[in-house]
Amino acid sequence: KQEVTQIPAALSVPEGENLVLNCSFTDSAIYNLQWFRQDPGKGLTSLLLIQSSQREQTSGRLNASLDKSSGRSTLYIAASQPGDSATYLCAVVGDQAGTALIFGKGTTLSVSS
Amino acid sequence: KAGVTQTPRYLIKTRGQQVTLSCSPISGHRSVSWYQQTPGQGLQFLFEYFSETQRNKGNFPGRFSGRQFSNSRSEMNVSTLELGDSALYLCASSLIGSQAGELFFGEGSRLTVL
Repeated sequence: KQEVTQIPAALSVPEGENLVLNCSFTDSAIYNLQWFRQDPGKGLTSLLLIQSSQREQTSGRLNASLDKSSGRSTLYIAASQPGDSATYLCAVVGDQAGTALIFGKGTTLSVSS
Repeated sequence: KAGVTQTPRYLIKTRGQQVTLSCSPISGHRSVSWYQQTPGQGLQFLFEYFSETQRNKGNFPGRFSGRQFSNSRSEMNVSTLELGDSALYLCASSLIGSQAGELFFGEGSRLTVL
């Protein structure tokens, strides 16, 4: 059974710092991995999608990497800003037909000005 | 381009009642998935519909059901509500399915069961 773990559960940093959020999964047979952002009381916003054949994806100040064989992904946020404060969730979907996204519990990020 | 629309956004029910939540996906998207989010369990998959057919179902009791209409709009129903059903219910749409592509989520329907 696939399990997704995100460490740390919470993180506080000063504005301008570069930071890394970690995601690990127990079954490497994944089709893709997706990073989401969730603001309090809101839905999820898709940040980056990495296919299993890819090693990384970039969008603006965000860079996500994927090491499928070791069951790890990292989300790198450059030059953090207070507006980056949110909960970041990673989710994987298996490569078997009919599987659904399995989410981690998330990392809650607080960026102070 | 309109995003995923969920209604109602907030609702309060009492134990034993039933509730119906609605989700309108992004235009052109044929897949709708439903998730339950609670502080303790996080996000858990309920079911996925594609072209009016349930394609996948999570590990929830039969009180949780759903359907999808020909215009891709989806509804989920929870009967005989329990206190533990209090949660944020999120709907996600994708072009051809949650396995194949990017998911886009709605703002959610927050259900409180008293």
